[in-house]
Amino acid sequence: EDQVTQSPEALRLQEGESSSLNCSYTVSGLRGLFWYRQDPGKGPEFLFTLYSAGEEKEKERLKATLTKKESFLHITAPKPEDSATYLCAVQAAGSNYKLTFGKGTLLTVNP
Amino acid sequence: EPEVTQTPSHQVTQMGQEVILRCVPISNHLYFYWYRQILGQKVEFLVSFYNNEISEKSEIFDDQFSVERPDGSNFTLKIRSTKLEDSAMYFCASSEAAGPQHFGDGTRLSIL
Repeated sequence: EDQVTQSPEALRLQEGESSSLNCSYTVSGLRGLFWYRQDPGKGPEFLFTLYSAGEEKEKERLKATLTKKESFLHITAPKPEDSATYLCAVQAAGSNYKLTFGKGTLLTVNP
Repeated sequence: EPEVTQTPSHQVTQMGQEVILRCVPISNHLYFYWYRQILGQKVEFLVSFYNNEISEKSEIFDDQFSVERPDGSNFTLKIRSTKLEDSAMYFCASSEAAGPQHFGDGTRLSIL
């Protein structure tokens, strides 16, 4: 069974204080790993897809990296508007594209 | 930017009643999905749909659930006889194929 574990469950940062979120996964052959952002009362908003170990993707203050067992979402000099829940999901090779999600990391950035 | 739209945003229903949740996926997408999120828990896969048939479903998706694409734009989830434990946010998503899935803002289903 595919599993995704995210840590920490919650993270509070000061504006400008860089940090990283972790996503550990076990999957029977990884087709892709996805990062989403979810604001309260909204659906997950797509951020990145990573397909193979060593791959990196960047968007503004966010950078996602992937190894064979985990992914990191690095947040550089965060701003209050980066406050959200960040979700990690895996898609197994051989599945009909279903996503298995972790519980997410609730990020709060204080001004 | 194209988006997935879901209606209604909030549905309140008596236990045992039927409910239909509606979704309009992104127009050029061919794969459609339903997920649910019980308050405080992770987003869980329910079902995927391609070429007018279910391609995969989870254990949650029992005989009380059904999906349909009644026309070229809508994608629906029906719960035949709702239970208290069906209370959750239900998200529709669509994708071109194995690429990223794009989600709607969900329907909050409250069962009384």
